[in-house]
Amino acid sequence: ETGVTQTPRHLVMGMTNKKSLKCEQHLGHNAMYWYKQSAKKPLELMFVYSLEERVENNSVPSRFSPECPNSSHLFLHLHTLQPEDSALYLCASSQEGAGAGDTQYFGPGTRLTVL
Amino acid sequence: AQSVTQPDIHITVSEGASLELRCNYSYGATPYLFWYVQSPGQGLQLLLKYFSGDTLVQGIKGFEAEFKRSQSSFNLRKPSVHWSDAAEYFCAVGILTGGGNKLTFGTGTQLKVEL
Repeated sequence: ETGVTQTPRHLVMGMTNKKSLKCEQHLGHNAMYWYKQSAKKPLELMFVYSLEERVENNSVPSRFSPECPNSSHLFLHLHTLQPEDSALYLCASSQEGAGAGDTQYFGPGTRLTVL
Repeated sequence: AQSVTQPDIHITVSEGASLELRCNYSYGATPYLFWYVQSPGQGLQLLLKYFSGDTLVQGIKGFEAEFKRSQSSFNLRKPSVHWSDAAEYFCAVGILTGGGNKLTFGTGTQLKVEL
């Protein structure tokens, strides 16, 4: 595997379910990100992890719970979601401190549908 | 706070024609600027980036972009479009924070290529 991978690629869940999204980066980076991409809206940054510590939480509802067990893996735990949470969830990674404008590399995303 | 405007939601060009996608940004200091492309069902792929130096930046797939400080613009260009360039294009401005590189994205421009 190369780059940033995400599983599953598609997920359908009911509002009472609990599920998790997984992201893995194979680039040796030390920062990871979760974004939400909804139709007609700019990408929304949800969470940022740097050196496995959460450094940013952009007012995301508590029904989304991130976890970063090591620098290569990032999870997004989902519970009691709402239909408006249906979106494409993108994971990205970068090498913090690599220089100005650390470039973020994105995974293919998980298409989430909440029924 | 920084912001990015992509004034064209949709653009249609004929294959072989030239292309220019507009991007304007708002940021108090020298920005770090990016163009990403997203094909249907895929994540974002980096086309090119500007940090400093030469204001004309070359990217992958024959794309280039020019940074114009006086106009707060970073327009993406390609001299001859191929049908495979049909996708959505996102401009982003990045700032370095205490943890990671924070990107602010525009709403995207959907490119359609007519054969």
